Amino acid sequence: DAMVIQNPRYQVTQFGKPVTLSCSQTLNHNVMYWYQQKSSQAPKLLFHYYDKDFNNEADTPDNFQSRRPNTSFCFLDIRSPGLGDAAMYLCATSTAGTGANEQFFGPGTRLTVL
Amino acid sequence: DQQVKQNSPSLSVQEGRISILNCDYTNSMFDYFLWYKKYPAEGPTFLISISSIKDKNEDGRFTVFLNKSAKHLSLHIVPSQPGDSAVYFCAALTYGQNFVFGPGTRLSVLP
Repeated sequence: DAMVIQNPRYQVTQFGKPVTLSCSQTLNHNVMYWYQQKSSQAPKLLFHYYDKDFNNEADTPDNFQSRRPNTSFCFLDIRSPGLGDAAMYLCATSTAGTGANEQFFGPGTRLTVL
Repeated sequence: DQQVKQNSPSLSVQEGRISILNCDYTNSMFDYFLWYKKYPAEGPTFLISISSIKDKNEDGRFTVFLNKSAKHLSLHIVPSQPGDSAVYFCAALTYGQNFVFGPGTRLSVLP
């Protein structure tokens, strides 16, 4: 089945210790997104890739970086996690076309910062 | 500044009855709206959408209504089933822009 896969599902890191979350997709979608979702809040877009073009949201902290080495994979790097970065991180994909297109989400990675 | 609001954090409905989830938005440029459903430990999954040129879209038990003048949309689930218990997110976008999600409403369908 075509899908969006996120690994790991649960990640624990220490304050200030770099961590990388990964996302892969078999949908061959050209757009990939990273969202941060905290409890009882809306998913907040951090950045997205349109093919290889990286688009950073204005209020995304510099602490968050992303890499997309190929169509299938996208990584979220948190360089120095703080306690406030504990959240669910959602990866999503979509096609970019002439109309609005739904996004397909992965199951998320729940990050705990100790 | 929340552009998409879901003012009810939670809703409980009896099995077989109608569930009505509401969503309000402030940006009159939004022209496409979607509802996503999210089970615990899973990512959101697309449920139903509506374009701003329509005022109603129906898919099985799910109907979305759009009132552009009031900047309001609602999702109706009839009849509600226990498997519908989940968090429902409303999302809006303007063509060419990214999604803006609401904070979600947790629906509990009681047997």
